[in-house]
Amino acid sequence: GQQLNQSPQSMFIQEGEDVSMNCTSSSIFNTWLWYKQDPGEGPVLLIALYKAGELTSNGRLTAQFGITRKDSFLNISASIPSDVGIYFCAGREANSGYALNFGKGTSLLVTP
Amino acid sequence: NAGVTQTPKFQVLKTGQSMTLQCAQDMNHNSMYWYRQDPGMGLRLIYYSASEGTTDKGEVPNGYNVSRLNKREFSLRLESAAPSQTSVYFCASRGKIWEETYNEQFFGPGTRLTVL
Repeated sequence: GQQLNQSPQSMFIQEGEDVSMNCTSSSIFNTWLWYKQDPGEGPVLLIALYKAGELTSNGRLTAQFGITRKDSFLNISASIPSDVGIYFCAGREANSGYALNFGKGTSLLVTP
Repeated sequence: NAGVTQTPKFQVLKTGQSMTLQCAQDMNHNSMYWYRQDPGMGLRLIYYSASEGTTDKGEVPNGYNVSRLNKREFSLRLESAAPSQTSVYFCASRGKIWEETYNEQFFGPGTRLTVL
């Protein structure tokens, strides 16, 4: 499967700061997903996007499906220590069935 | 409703040994998946099962076999473990998300496997 380009690879921020990460692909996707993985656990779905330009929020998290359908970004506002973890983007190409392509993840550390 | 469960949580094997990783879901999902996660590599699909009785190869199937025992259970077998198979293995099943219009993958807690 296609490997997505996710950046940054890691972030080290202070509590209260806003965070932004993004994901790009070389082909057009019809689905973008954002998962969070806590240490020692499996990924948990945070946000799902299905339409180009769509902007969706889940509490302090906001994600957008890029207009070109080749990118997506995730913003976290007013970060707190429990935001620590690895954030993965995942996407699905049109006509690919249900297979997901994953980014390599953004590791987020938040200091009090 | 336990979601997706995996056993064991941790395992250490010697090269050449065999073992089976177990996965079960209680959400009545049709599709199930096995991934491996390596540092800096994200998640890579090993095998998947679109429905009971069917299995298909994913991106990295070599060295693995799978069995869809029934609708609930999907196991992953390493016949002759190699150090390159040291990884964290995740099972997932696909079903309706909160909007109940779309279906996406729900992951288990993982099995951490070390092959010496």
